[in-house]
Amino acid sequence: EIVLTQSPGTLSLSPGERATLSCRASQSVSSSYLAWYQQKPGQAPRLLIYGASSRATGIPDRFSGSGSGTDFTLTISRLEPEDFAVYYCQQYGSAITFGQGTRLEIK
Amino acid sequence: QVQLQESGPGLVKPSQTLSLTCTVSGGSISSGGYYWSWIRQHPGKGLEWIGYIYYSGSTYYNPSLKSRVTISVDTSKNQFSLKLSSVTAADTAVYYCARVTRGQAIDYWGQGTLVTVSS
Repeated sequence: EIVLTQSPGTLSLSPGERATLSCRASQSVSSSYLAWYQQKPGQAPRLLIYGASSRATGIPDRFSGSGSGTDFTLTISRLEPEDFAVYYCQQYGSAITFGQGTRLEIK
Repeated sequence: QVQLQESGPGLVKPSQTLSLTCTVSGGSISSGGYYWSWIRQHPGKGLEWIGYIYYSGSTYYNPSLKSRVTISVDTSKNQFSLKLSSVTAADTAVYYCARVTRGQAIDYWGQGTLVTVSS
């Protein structure tokens, strides 16, 4: 099973700042099978990025994904108030696994 | 717009079988191209993939749960279902049904349903 480790666990930033979230895999992951999600309290996760760098339908262009192999990054260029949430990365190897999440909180 | 809705008991006794159904609207399970999945989230914790099914009936399960999980599909009702046997308090979680693309991204989710395991 591929283990995904996200860092930092919590990120404290202000609106307007840039957020960089990391996802590291225990072994190489196909970029085709790396996704990012946003989850707000009481809601289901929402797909942001698939294929490591493709934005899902309706996702603002301030969200971008990059990376390959074992290191992937989600970047939010300028934080809006509605971006403060928990973010998960997810991969598919022989099974689907998720990272433990990064909580993005208002500083 | 595809919509998914979970239904089933919110309370299950230990050692019994948890049963949930997901009803899909706005799209047909039989059209193919997607996997239909169950995912759970323990209270205050991260996400755990349980497994998924293709419209043909082919199933793929999380190895850690495989011995207790059965996912089935009823294309005539546009529904798919989850059975998790021999539950314990550790199975208390919000259970989501979801659609998984061929690229293994989860693009549509149900709202989730909390299932508590308690006597």
